[in-house]
Amino acid sequence: QSVLTQPPSASGTPGQRVTISCSGSSSNIGENTVNWYQQLPGTAPKVLIYANSQRPSGVPDRFSGSKSGTSASLAISCLQSEDEANYYCAGWDDSLNGVVFGGGTKLTVL
Amino acid sequence: EVQLLESGGGLVQPGGSLRLSCAASGFTFSNSAMNWVRQVPGKGLEWVSAISGGGDSTYSADSVKGRFTISRDNSKNTLYLQMNSLRAEDTAVYYCAKRGSGSWSNFDYWGQGILVTVSS
Repeated sequence: QSVLTQPPSASGTPGQRVTISCSGSSSNIGENTVNWYQQLPGTAPKVLIYANSQRPSGVPDRFSGSKSGTSASLAISCLQSEDEANYYCAGWDDSLNGVVFGGGTKLTVL
Repeated sequence: EVQLLESGGGLVQPGGSLRLSCAASGFTFSNSAMNWVRQVPGKGLEWVSAISGGGDSTYSADSVKGRFTISRDNSKNTLYLQMNSLRAEDTAVYYCAKRGSGSWSNFDYWGQGILVTVSS
């Protein structure tokens, strides 16, 4: 059971917009920033969004992040086949004094 | 170019020990906090441990506290994870990851990962 809760799966067709949620608590998302990672099959994770909504250089602006209260969301617009991957949210937890991940969401592009 | 290269993985019996290494290059290693993150094949990510740039602060997940020790040698640009009293549930791919700006949970660069298998 992960500390941060994500839906196990999401799907969309090319060109659509999809969102992935990440639910936490006052000890993690409520007090700290959220980061999002994309993991393509057989590869190491890659940071997509840091500090709730910041994109590292090289990440397309189709990817955006937001946070409200104890929840965060990752939005992917103009969905493309190459976006098919697993997505993870992560944050620092003040009670556990460590980093916590969501369980991951497998995105399927239909 | 930032590069992180893990080594030291392999097959070990339950109760045994293993030391992972992560050789870093392409950035000022001593200025960067580092982490270990693991992933059971086919499952999600689990943070294992973190260490500050100077090595004076460390943090570990409850699942490995008292068994795993994170350390670093800034003169060798190398991060370590000493794993003792290994269990079957420690079987996973282990990634080293560099902390980015801001939060401890921002990992801006990852190694390719190394497989640790705990089995008799």
